[in-house]
Amino acid sequence: DAGVIQSPRHEVTEMGQEVTLRCKPISGHNSLFWYRQTMMRGLELLIYFNNNVPIDDSGMPEDRFSAKMPNASFSTLKIQPSEPRDSAVYFCASSSTGKGEAFFGQGTRLTVV
Amino acid sequence: GENVEQHPSTLSVQEGDSAVIKCTYSDSASNYFPWYKQELGKGPQLIIDIRSNVGEKKDQRIAVTLNKTAKHFSLHITETQPEDSAVYFCAAIKAAGNKLTFGGGTRVLVKP
Repeated sequence: DAGVIQSPRHEVTEMGQEVTLRCKPISGHNSLFWYRQTMMRGLELLIYFNNNVPIDDSGMPEDRFSAKMPNASFSTLKIQPSEPRDSAVYFCASSSTGKGEAFFGQGTRLTVV
Repeated sequence: GENVEQHPSTLSVQEGDSAVIKCTYSDSASNYFPWYKQELGKGPQLIIDIRSNVGEKKDQRIAVTLNKTAKHFSLHITETQPEDSAVYFCAAIKAAGNKLTFGGGTRVLVKP
C-alpha cells in the first residue's frame, strides 16, 4: 500500500483565498483524522471521521474550516477565507477502528501570505 | 477530555548513551499508548506501542514501559545513534473511539 497520500505537499496562497487540502487514506481503514501542527501548539486534532461520518469536530478552529469525507477513499479540508494564522503543516492520518495505530501522510505545508 | 504531558521538550545525548522520554496521561480509560517519531519534513511514524494489559515492550534498541496506577509511560532508547535524532511524540487513546491525544513532543539530538 502507498500509505496515506496528501496533496498538495506545499501550498502558498494569499490571505482571503480558499484553500483545499486533500487526503486519500490507506485502503481498508475506516477512521480518518485531520491534524494541524505548529511550533506553538504542537499537534492538534481538528476533526475525525469514522466510516465517513464526522465524529468529533471540536478541534476545528472556527467556521472558516470545514471537512468532508464523501467516500471511504477521499477527504478534504477546506479553509475559506484563509488567514496568515492558518499557516501550518496539516496532516491526515488513517486507522482501523479498534486497532489504535494511526498512519500519517507526509503533510501539506500551508503558507498564507 | 484526555490530557497528555510529555517531558522533556528537548533532549541532547551523546552517541551511545541512553535517552528517556516520559509521559503522563489523565484519563484512566485510555488503554493504548503509541510512540511516534517525526523526522524533518515528514509525518509522524509509529515506532512502538503498548497496550494497557502489558507493562513493558521492547523492540531492538527501543522499549516502552507503562505504569497504569501512576498513569505514566516512558520511551527508552539505548545505544543512541545520530539517526535517532528527531522529534518524538507520545499519545494516548481510549478504548471507545479512536481519538488520539498527543503529548507536546520531545526534540532529541544525538551528538556524534
